[in-house]
Amino acid sequence: AQKVTQAQTEISVVEKEDVTLDCVYETRDTTYYLFWYKQPPSGELVFLIRRNSFDEQNEISGRYSWNFQKSTSSFNFTITASQVVDSAVYFCALSTYGGATNKLIFGTGTLLAVQP
Amino acid sequence: NAGVTQTPKFQVLKTGQSMTLQCAQDMNHEYMSWYRQDPGMGLRLIHYSVGAGITDQGEVPNGYNVSRSTTEDFPLRLLSAAPSQTSVYFCASSYSRTSGAPAYEQFFGPGTRLTVL
Repeated sequence: AQKVTQAQTEISVVEKEDVTLDCVYETRDTTYYLFWYKQPPSGELVFLIRRNSFDEQNEISGRYSWNFQKSTSSFNFTITASQVVDSAVYFCALSTYGGATNKLIFGTGTLLAVQP
Repeated sequence: NAGVTQTPKFQVLKTGQSMTLQCAQDMNHEYMSWYRQDPGMGLRLIHYSVGAGITDQGEVPNGYNVSRSTTEDFPLRLLSAAPSQTSVYFCASSYSRTSGAPAYEQFFGPGTRLTVL
């Protein structure tokens, strides 16, 4: 079975704090993709990152960084020096690499509130 | 490019009514899908299509029909609306593996907020 767990339902931080959003996944496939999407209050879904299962390098993009650890089946997302504009629901998602499908299994999301 | 467009943005239905949610993309993506988003449940896949004329069920297909007559369009039909179908519906598209591109990023439309009374 494939599953994505985001145990943190809501997180509240004060601006400039660092915050880490946790994502734990389950899959028996050896080839798969992991994603993070952001959903700001306006409602649209914004793609942040894609990582394939063979690439365990951590990635940094500005204030955002991602830590992928196959040993613990985790793909955590850290925002450094958070800003009010980071307030959103963040979804972690899993997609297996098979056939022509591109089905995404989403976690339940983490609501991040950054207070000024 | 307009990307993925969805209409309408908002809709209120009475129980038993039928309607079609429209989705179109102009990126020539083979793969299109419909998700519903409910509080505390993330996004769940309703139906998907890997190309014109090919559709399949996702995780929560009951009460919904789809068809894919063109690459661009992927409408979602509610046959007899029920209050349990009150949700936000998202359409998404992407390249499929058969295109040779490992680009599994999905592009989402702005969503349709549906209320069934």
